Amino acid sequence: DTEVTQTPKHLVMGMTNKKSLKCEQHMGHRAMYWYKQKAKKPPELMFVYSYEKLSINESVPSRFSPECPNSSLLNLHLHALQPEDSALYLCASSQDMAGDYGYTFGSGTRLTVV
Amino acid sequence: QQQVKQSPQSLIVQKGGISIINCAYENTAFDYFPWYQQFPGKGPALLIAIRPDVSEKKEGRFTISFNKSAKQFSLHIMDSQPGDSATYFCAASIAGGTSYGKLTFGQGTILTVHP
Repeated sequence: DTEVTQTPKHLVMGMTNKKSLKCEQHMGHRAMYWYKQKAKKPPELMFVYSYEKLSINESVPSRFSPECPNSSLLNLHLHALQPEDSALYLCASSQDMAGDYGYTFGSGTRLTVV
Repeated sequence: QQQVKQSPQSLIVQKGGISIINCAYENTAFDYFPWYQQFPGKGPALLIAIRPDVSEKKEGRFTISFNKSAKQFSLHIMDSQPGDSATYFCAASIAGGTSYGKLTFGQGTILTVHP
């Protein structure tokens, strides 16, 4: 299995809702990442987990809450989002944080906040 | 210091032609330079990557040229095909320090290959 699987593929949520994005990989990768991508822009790093511990938080607002239950799973909990948070949310993984063998990205969750 | 500048923003090439995308960086601590290809509605996919101890790397029709002294690297796509039409991102990362594990992307190039 050489994929990063993200669910759901699309999500529409109101500003008062609570929802979660899920990411799964079975490549034995020990580093996992959340990126946010706006249209026609490059991905922007949000969080990095290394060996299931949060290593980098790029000053992301607290309405985004990451969780790494085990080495294969990564969640992003969403609460009280704003319309400007609408974007493609990408999960990625790599063998370790050095990324020597490249990052594998999932296809993303297209989030729309109404 | 953390920026990676990519050009051009968009590129139109005829089928069979050579596509060239350039990137420049400032931070000499960067030591890993990947290129990603992204199709609409998909996540970026690793295309090819290089480390600064090598000046060129070729994989099939894709070649990275790396100029350490100029702090520049480029992607060459030979015999470009309509299926290569996508957005291409250069990137850079550092294997250490507070930025360990962080991938810094260029702004992207939208490549269109006409049949």
